[in-house]
Amino acid sequence: GQNIDQPTEMTATEGAIVQINCTYQTSGFNGLFWYQQHAGEAPTFLSYNVLDGLEEKGRFSSFLSRSKGYSYLLLKELQMKDSASYLCAVLDSNYQLIWGAGTKLIIKP
Amino acid sequence: DAEITQSPRHKITETGRQVTLACHQTWNHNNMFWYRQDLGHGLRLIHYSYGVQDTNKGEVSDGYSVSRSNTEDLPLTLESAASSQTSVYFCASSPQGADYNEQFFGPGTRLTVL
Repeated sequence: GQNIDQPTEMTATEGAIVQINCTYQTSGFNGLFWYQQHAGEAPTFLSYNVLDGLEEKGRFSSFLSRSKGYSYLLLKELQMKDSASYLCAVLDSNYQLIWGAGTKLIIKP
Repeated sequence: DAEITQSPRHKITETGRQVTLACHQTWNHNNMFWYRQDLGHGLRLIHYSYGVQDTNKGEVSDGYSVSRSNTEDLPLTLESAASSQTSVYFCASSPQGADYNEQFFGPGTRLTVL
């Protein structure tokens, strides 16, 4: 079966750095997405990786290792507004998005 | 500005009733999707469409139906609502093409079936 694993919840301090991991086992791979979802709101796109390596976009970076079935989202200089759930999703061989359950990130002052 | 809207935003209904959730996008996207989101689960795909008159079943399609008569709309119908269908429903759309399928989400509909 297809499976995406992420930690359920993480806590970090304002101004610090946090890394949210995602491991996947899917039928085929056509890219990995990270979305941010604030409580009660819709998911919004953060990043897309299809090749191995690190993609940096401001305070957020996303890393992919296809051979290990592994990705992480790195958030730097954390702000209170970064408190949200972070969803990992893989585009499988049928170009369907398979979603992880999400990681709830709590930022403390 | 182009957008994707859902209505109603909140709905309470009774078991056995038929319910239709609306989704409308003005991006002229060919691809549209319906998901449900439940605590402890990732987004689960209900139905999707790659264009007018095209509809496909997703992972959790039982008890749901969709129709695509134009590019802008993909209504989701619950034929006979069940308590297990209490959930938050998200509609999403993406441009045609499989290479980079960033999906844009509507604000969601919270459905409660009593």
